[in-house]
Amino acid sequence: DAGITQSPRHKVTETGTPVTLRCHQTENHRYMYWYRQDPGHGLRLIHYSYGVKDTDKGEVSDGYSVSRSKTEDFLLTLESATSSQTSVYFCAISERGGFTEAFFGQGTRLTVV
Amino acid sequence: QKEVEQNSGPLSVPEGAIASLNCTYSDRGSQSFFWYRQYSGKSPELIMSIYSNGDKEDGRFTAQLNKASQYVSLLIRDSQPSDSATYLCAVRSGGGGADGLTFGKGTHLIIQP
Repeated sequence: DAGITQSPRHKVTETGTPVTLRCHQTENHRYMYWYRQDPGHGLRLIHYSYGVKDTDKGEVSDGYSVSRSKTEDFLLTLESATSSQTSVYFCAISERGGFTEAFFGQGTRLTVV
Repeated sequence: QKEVEQNSGPLSVPEGAIASLNCTYSDRGSQSFFWYRQYSGKSPELIMSIYSNGDKEDGRFTAQLNKASQYVSLLIRDSQPSDSATYLCAVRSGGGGADGLTFGKGTHLIIQP
């Protein structure tokens, strides 16, 4: 398995609270991604990073921010969680972006009540 | 808007038969194509990647790509009950592709013993 660790694996939080999810990789891959997976929608890209401090928005970025201060860590923050952000969140990494495969972490199940 | 379409299924196949999974994509500039398998409650697992027209075989799996028809397929020979899962088609567009993969919603495959 690719060396990707997501934390926490499960979290329940209240509406309006901030939440940070962490993705840690040991593969030294340049590209990192955050996806969310919801029934009926499949996997959708939230944000991605193409290097330290280099990030950009994906398809469903509203309400989310990211940071990457080190190659190995990519953080996803929900500034003020809403019930619509209840989802399973997956981190993925890719060595060379465009033409190489992406490998996924185990996922974080987030419930906003 | 990049779109990847898959029949959601369920697709039911007898054990030992060939399972055929199909995917179409809208972005004619797409350059990289991937099949992932996802068991319930687990993260997506890469099965195959294909980058050029034609067939690519790996064990019991064959990926087929036809860029003119914007069509990707996955064949699973000698289907086993352990192949029962959701299969996700993913596409990466041209231009470097740092912006991640676009996924279909997946086909639920059931292998009947």
